[in-house]
Amino acid sequence: ELKVEQNPLFLSMQEGKNYTIYCNYSTTSDRLYWYRQDPGKSLESLFVLLSNGAVKQEGRLMASLDTKARLSTLHITAAVHDLSATYFCAVDERADKIIFGKGTRLHILP
Amino acid sequence: GAVVSQHPSWVICKSGTSVKIECRSLDFQATTMFWYRQFPKQSLMLMATSNEGSKATYEQGVEKDKFLINHASLTLSTLTVTSAHPEDSSFYICSAKKTGGVGYTFGSGTRLTVV
Repeated sequence: ELKVEQNPLFLSMQEGKNYTIYCNYSTTSDRLYWYRQDPGKSLESLFVLLSNGAVKQEGRLMASLDTKARLSTLHITAAVHDLSATYFCAVDERADKIIFGKGTRLHILP
Repeated sequence: GAVVSQHPSWVICKSGTSVKIECRSLDFQATTMFWYRQFPKQSLMLMATSNEGSKATYEQGVEKDKFLINHASLTLSTLTVTSAHPEDSSFYICSAKKTGGVGYTFGSGTRLTVV
């Protein structure tokens, strides 16, 4: 059974700082997704990582995937208040459904 | 492209009544759709996988007689919460995978409150 673990689960940080959210998963998969969720809203797709070594960047966010280590990271550079949200990673199980991590609640202090 | 419409966005119903939630893929065909439930400050929990033209596959612990799923076309799946109780109050989110595609598109969610 696929298990997806995110850490930290809660992160409070100052604007301008850098930080990384980690996503570990338990079984072989080469498809990993990162989503953002604002309070009361549904999910917004951030990144789709489809192969070992994949790296994608959008603005202050950068995601990477190491399938051998079963690890993905979401790096935040020079955080701004607008990035405050909950971030989820999700892993494709046998390409027929995705399993979510518990989410990381990110609170960026102005 | 790849838009999923979910209705209603919120609903309040009385205990014992049934509520239907619709999930439509607007600009693509989706052989497979998924239904999730999310409680406050928790992650999304997959309830069931809905396959067009066949019975849904429910996750362990999800009552199939209580959460009825119908996927009658390549663009529409419905979730009916039958005999709703206050503990069914939650945020329900659907997603769809484009046939032959990669990635999942999520609906805007339905907040169900049972009183």
